[in-house]
Formats: sequence, C-alpha cells, structure tokens
Amino acid sequence: GAVVSQHPSWVICKSGTSVKIECRSLDFQATTMFWYRQFPKQSLMLMATSNEGSKATYEQGVEKDKFLINHASLTLSTLTVTSAHPEDSSFYICSARTSGRGTEAFFGQGTRLTVV
Amino acid sequence: DAKTTQPTSMDCAEGRAANLPCNHSTISGNEYVYWYRQIHSQGPQYIIHGLKNNETNEMASLIITEDRKSSTLILPHATLRDTAVYYCIVRVGGNQGGKLIFGQGTELSVKP
Repeated sequence: GAVVSQHPSWVICKSGTSVKIECRSLDFQATTMFWYRQFPKQSLMLMATSNEGSKATYEQGVEKDKFLINHASLTLSTLTVTSAHPEDSSFYICSARTSGRGTEAFFGQGTRLTVV
Repeated sequence: DAKTTQPTSMDCAEGRAANLPCNHSTISGNEYVYWYRQIHSQGPQYIIHGLKNNETNEMASLIITEDRKSSTLILPHATLRDTAVYYCIVRVGGNQGGKLIFGQGTELSVKP
C-alpha cells in the first residue's frame, strides 16, 4: 500500500504554545487529506478534510482558528495546534487519498501530543 | 454515509480463522465497504474494500451478502499480531468519495 508519513511521532509542548504536525504522502499524490483526533480508548474522530490548494472543511465542533490546516501541495499537509492546552493532548492521525474510483485512504502512524 | 454495526469484541484462537461481521443495512448503491484495523498506538491500516463482489487479497477476504446489508471480514489464519481493533466503514467511492467515519469497531483478541 501507499506510504503516509507523519512527523513528529510524539511531541511535548508547554501550555499556550503552538505545535505543527506534518503529514506527507511519500509515493503518491494526495488530492485529499484528512485529520483525525483520537482520545484513549475511543475511536478516531474526524476533525477536517482538506483538498490541495483549497481551504479545509472542518467538522462540526472543531475550531478552525485553533486547528490550522494547510494543504499547500499534493504531498504535504500540516496541522497546527495553536495556543495548545492540556485538553488538546491527544493522538492526531492524518490520512491521505488520491482521486479514483473506490480509492482507499492511507494513514500516517500518528502523532502523540502532550501539552503540559 | 451509512452507519455500521459491529460487535464490540471477539476472541479467536491463534491459527484459526477470524470472522468479523458487520451490518450496514442502510448502505446505498454507490457505497463501498471498507475495512481497516488499528493496532494499539498506531495509525489505521487499510485491509480490503469491496462494492458487491467478494474480494480477497494477501491479508484477508471480504464476503458481502447479496443484498449488501452485511459483510464479513475473514482472516484465514489469525496470528497474535492480528490483535487489533477492526473497523468496518461504508462510504461513497470514486472522485465523489467522502470522508471515512469511524465507528467503535471490533476489538479482536487473538489468543495462543
């Protein structure tokens, strides 16, 4: 399957600071990328969908000014958690998909964010 | 996208076939059935997907009922490394394909 890489794998930051997470599709062009958040013992919750060159579409209840998403190229999307607070501590996962019929999405390995 | 219903948890003996059911009674004609799994603290891994015909790849087989209201993922010879949460998702495929919405999935425990 296709490879999606996230960086960093884990990060610890101080409350009030911003953190950027990168998601790269290594061997295909990702026309669409998705960002998820997962709390312990829960399922993945979709945060937003981004198409290359367009503004991201956020799910209901997700603050777009707090979770900034940029999808500037067909191989890179970034999620910036601004003014992070301890309640933002979570496992953040990106997914990338290319266009095509029945095309599956591939996931990064996730980023564990801890805000102290 | 249609909702799915899966058992919360299942056990399977190592070396035996693991059969994971999924109900998707409200599936639409243009929606595919996708299966992913998530091993603890990792991103989900794509397993297989299908529209109406049964599908098989190196990881698993997908059996979809004729009315498409349910499906079964089969891991033919489960190993300890297959212990994971398995998610059944239905969504529209192709260029109109939308987001993958995850339910609670089935926690499969493969035991020696």
